[in-house]
Amino acid sequence: DQQVKQNSPSLSVQEGRISILNCDYTNSMFDYFLWYKKYPAEGPTFLISISSIKDKNEDGRFTVFLNKSAKHLSLHIVPSQPGDSAVYFCAASGGVNTDKLIFGTGTRLQVFP
Amino acid sequence: DSGVTQTPKHLITATGQRVTLRCSPRSGDLSVYWYQQSLDQGLQFLIQYYNGEERAKGNILERFSAQQFPDLHSELNLSSLELGDSALYFCASSVVGSEGYTFGSGTRLTVV
Repeated sequence: DQQVKQNSPSLSVQEGRISILNCDYTNSMFDYFLWYKKYPAEGPTFLISISSIKDKNEDGRFTVFLNKSAKHLSLHIVPSQPGDSAVYFCAASGGVNTDKLIFGTGTRLQVFP
Repeated sequence: DSGVTQTPKHLITATGQRVTLRCSPRSGDLSVYWYQQSLDQGLQFLIQYYNGEERAKGNILERFSAQQFPDLHSELNLSSLELGDSALYFCASSVVGSEGYTFGSGTRLTVV
């Protein structure tokens, strides 16, 4: 049972435009959400997070939006840069095992000039 | 360098064999997590240790086992290897809680 879903395996965006990556979850006990970025041959690196008490968190070019009623979150990157090309993983935690992160399958973002 | 060290980086072995993957967490981190990433799959949680004790278990096969030692480094043991065990195995560490794991660069296991 995939509790965290990223339904778009890939996304291609022109440099300077907005990239929107989406993530859906099924477990209503999740109360903390994170986005990780992964380059080839490297481990995932933490990008941005949001607690369920908020609906938006912003860090520079990156903004995460949380819609609890829809069990949906999204990552906006504005403006997109070629260096943003990577695989982005959505992750969630909460409930009994609050330490454990459940990851989605990832979305490969390609930003072209 | 994330501060989490995984060795070896690459491992090629035959079916039926046993291997050990090693992880040294970031200094001060008490929790170690192991994840498996197969082709086109997300990161599947295997197991978590906290200060030497098993804290949470995920989809870890009975052929797999792990432990965390007093110096906090951890080892993931994979035995009776099958072709389907070929994957990237990541270790992550955190002080406590899920507020941003730090991942190692992974061990790529190829079973032939």
